[in-house]
Amino acid sequence: DSGVTQTPKHLITATGQRVTLRCSPRSGDLSVYWYQQSLDQGLQFLIQYYNGEERAKGNILERFSAQQFPDLHSELNLSSLELGDSALYFCASSVSWTGQNYGYTFGSGTRLTVV
Amino acid sequence: QKEVEQDPGPLSVPEGAIVSLNCTYSNSAFQYFMWYRQYSRKGPELLMYTYSSGNKEDGRFTAQVDKSSKYISLFIRDSQPSDSATYLCASIETSGSRLTFGEGTQLTVNP
Repeated sequence: DSGVTQTPKHLITATGQRVTLRCSPRSGDLSVYWYQQSLDQGLQFLIQYYNGEERAKGNILERFSAQQFPDLHSELNLSSLELGDSALYFCASSVSWTGQNYGYTFGSGTRLTVV
Repeated sequence: QKEVEQDPGPLSVPEGAIVSLNCTYSNSAFQYFMWYRQYSRKGPELLMYTYSSGNKEDGRFTAQVDKSSKYISLFIRDSQPSDSATYLCASIETSGSRLTFGEGTQLTVNP
């Protein structure tokens, strides 16, 4: 157990729907990162939050949004889902805003299947 | 061009072999380098971390960074079937926070 908790582990939903993925960072970590991993794209950075504020943004679609709450847990909202959104979504956390000194700790992921 | 390039393999070796995994990168601002191991689509786990150029050893694993040639390597000595996984190299810029990953190399160690 890495200490980063992601729920749900699996999610199957229809095209056009909206889902919310949840992440609780490791105790003491202030940064949360979201990554998407599909078979042909590898791990793609989506967005980072640090202590409640957006810190960095990757190639996140406009249909996707995220936030980090005062208790530091984070949610990734995916709307108007398309078949191509099917992927593993990972959350990671780090103690600092850069993650440089110790790297990130990843959760076990949410497997999203859009049918 | 991807910022971090990694041969996806697959790579298959016999138990006990020395494994060499490699990445190249194009972003000169990368200063922090890491190797992650990922078992069958589970969450990646941090294996090795190095800062700037040089070597770092941890048990059977050695990480090397050559900034002059923008080359990152991971060596696994006396490889074991339990080392079978996907290995991902990753880097962070000096002033950044985003970890940029290579595609990952799938390794199988055969008993």
